[in-house]
Amino acid sequence: QIQLVQSGAAVKKPGASMRVSCKASGYKFSIYEISWVRQAPGQGLEWMGRIAVNTGKTDFAPKFQDRVTMTTDTASNTAYLELRSLRSDDTAFYYCARDDPGDPLDYWGQGTLVTVSS
Amino acid sequence: ENVLTQSPGTLSLSPGQRATLSCRASQSVKYSYLAWYQQKPGQAPRLLMFGASKRAAGTPDRFSGSGSGTDFTLTISRLEPEDFAVYYCQQYDSSPKTFGQGTKLEIK
Repeated sequence: QIQLVQSGAAVKKPGASMRVSCKASGYKFSIYEISWVRQAPGQGLEWMGRIAVNTGKTDFAPKFQDRVTMTTDTASNTAYLELRSLRSDDTAFYYCARDDPGDPLDYWGQGTLVTVSS
Repeated sequence: ENVLTQSPGTLSLSPGQRATLSCRASQSVKYSYLAWYQQKPGQAPRLLMFGASKRAAGTPDRFSGSGSGTDFTLTISRLEPEDFAVYYCQQYDSSPKTFGQGTKLEIK
């Protein structure tokens, strides 16, 4: 069955960087995209961007353009999200989801809570 | 960016009643590339509907979607206890792939 399994919770200090991993299984990783979505505690969903696994081409929401990097490792079927210069309002659950042009986000990871606190 | 506005913010209904949730886009959503997700506390969102009116695998047929252009609706014909959750719409026509702010469906 299709699964996306994310790395565990993390606590970061303001100004630091975070990295979340998302390991895919049960489908051909290279022919899809991965989107990243975040959700601050008690708040709604916010699309951060996506990466096409086979080309590495990325597409970021303008809000995150300057601070985000998305990469993939096809050898391990893993996608990575890096966010730099963390602030307290970056405290959120971060989700990866399988994506494809013209299709919705059909499979989601379990989420990774990143807390930014001094 | 295409801003999605959901209404109402909270909907209080009883099991067995009909629920109607609205999602309005600031720009036309081409090809009806509009999805609905359900999220329960402590869980990741789950895809319910896509293409405005197509049910995702495992979505019960009491859920239906309609609409085109800028106005979309999710209807739950007869609410079951497990349907009380937060619902989000999302357009996947254009980047950024924006979400609505959510409608909380709560038990009255």
